[in-house]
Amino acid sequence: AQTVTQSQPEMSVQEAETVTLSCTYDTSESDYYLFWYKQPPSRQMILVIRQEAYKQQNATENRFSVNFQKAAKSFSLKISDSQLGDAAMYFCAYRRGPGFGNEKLTFGTGTRLTIIP
Amino acid sequence: EAGVAQSPRYKIIEKRQSVAFWCNPISGHATLYWYQQILGQGPKLLIQFQNNGVVDDSQLPKDRFSAERLKGVDSTLKIQPAKLEDSAVYLCASSPTGLNTEAFFGQGTRLTVV
Repeated sequence: AQTVTQSQPEMSVQEAETVTLSCTYDTSESDYYLFWYKQPPSRQMILVIRQEAYKQQNATENRFSVNFQKAAKSFSLKISDSQLGDAAMYFCAYRRGPGFGNEKLTFGTGTRLTIIP
Repeated sequence: EAGVAQSPRYKIIEKRQSVAFWCNPISGHATLYWYQQILGQGPKLLIQFQNNGVVDDSQLPKDRFSAERLKGVDSTLKIQPAKLEDSAVYLCASSPTGLNTEAFFGQGTRLTVV
């Protein structure tokens, strides 16, 4: 079974600074997807960024980027120029694929990010 | 495009009572998921539907939980009878058919069992 571990229950960062959230995972599969989701107090899970395991290039989305280390099974999220609106719970998630179709997501326990004005 | 709709947003019930949650996925999305998110934890899949068929319900406590997706569109999740440990947020998500798709989540229902 796949597992996802987030070892930082809480993180804080000064507004406009950079913060990195850590995630490790365990799988025997060679092809899979990794995700970072943001969950604000509204509770809706919002996709931040996605990485396909077969791609060596790290994904980036504006101020968000990942450091994907496949051999180490590590998938960290870097948020640059942190903004007050970035405050939320962040979940790392794993999904088998693409040959497995619309597979379920396996989530970590989350990291609560606080932005200090 | 309308998102995933869930109701109610909040529900408080006494233990041993029954409760039902409703989810309307994004139009055209064949796959529908129900996740349970206990406070301080990440969401855990309860059941996954592909159209109106069950793909995965291995984590669903079938002695008290049931779910259906009639006509392959909206879905209901029921708990009967509820226990204190069922207090959680119940998230519904949907995704279109395809190999490289993402799941879209609703705002969830927060259930408190007292």
